[in-house]
Amino acid sequence: GAGVSQSPSNKVTEKGKDVELRCDPISGHTALYWYRQSLGQGLEFLIYFQGNSAPDKSGLPSDRFSAERTGGSVSTLTIQRTQQEDSAVYLCASSSGGRGLWGYTFGSGTRLTVV
Amino acid sequence: AQSVTQPDIHITVSEGASLELRCNYSYGATPYLFWYVQSPGQGLQLLLKYFSGDTLVQGIKGFEAEFKRSQSSFNLRKPSVHWSDAAEYFCAVGGSFGNEKLTFGTGTRLTIIP
Repeated sequence: GAGVSQSPSNKVTEKGKDVELRCDPISGHTALYWYRQSLGQGLEFLIYFQGNSAPDKSGLPSDRFSAERTGGSVSTLTIQRTQQEDSAVYLCASSSGGRGLWGYTFGSGTRLTVV
Repeated sequence: AQSVTQPDIHITVSEGASLELRCNYSYGATPYLFWYVQSPGQGLQLLLKYFSGDTLVQGIKGFEAEFKRSQSSFNLRKPSVHWSDAAEYFCAVGGSFGNEKLTFGTGTRLTIIP
């Protein structure tokens, strides 16, 4: 597609429920990144994909968080047993050539609210 | 470990005035530096990037930034701001080959007054 697409744009869920967030990167972009943006916290790195594999998942905050990428394209971030501290905007970005250093293209994010 | 500090949480500038947003980084080798802008309800957009060479880099929307190794700084500047520049600005640092992750600062919110 023309840009990075994320869905849903907003998600309200009850504490303890599982949620899935989707990212559709720019066609042909081999690298995909997930970040979390909390109020006043800046962007927190979660995980990086190169193709379908994840060389760096050091930012996943707990084992409740997981992510996968299929076909070198769409990625899903899953949060199990959501907690209120998971409330944030989850941003996805992609880049070409497997090198994020040329600058990411970000999606508009999914705003997750856990009540 | 790499890190970025943006010391100013919020800056207010009059329309037409000059702007400088501060960014200090910590990185053990030659850094790759970026500035991103986030308008309300929008994703982040790349303004400019520095890899090597000329320490003054030009970006989109009339922005520029200067890399100063001795001060570990990469400050963003604009000679004359427009009301549409009101947004959140993020500085980021990335590493060399093999280190794909960008580390972002906490951002500076820019308010423009008439």
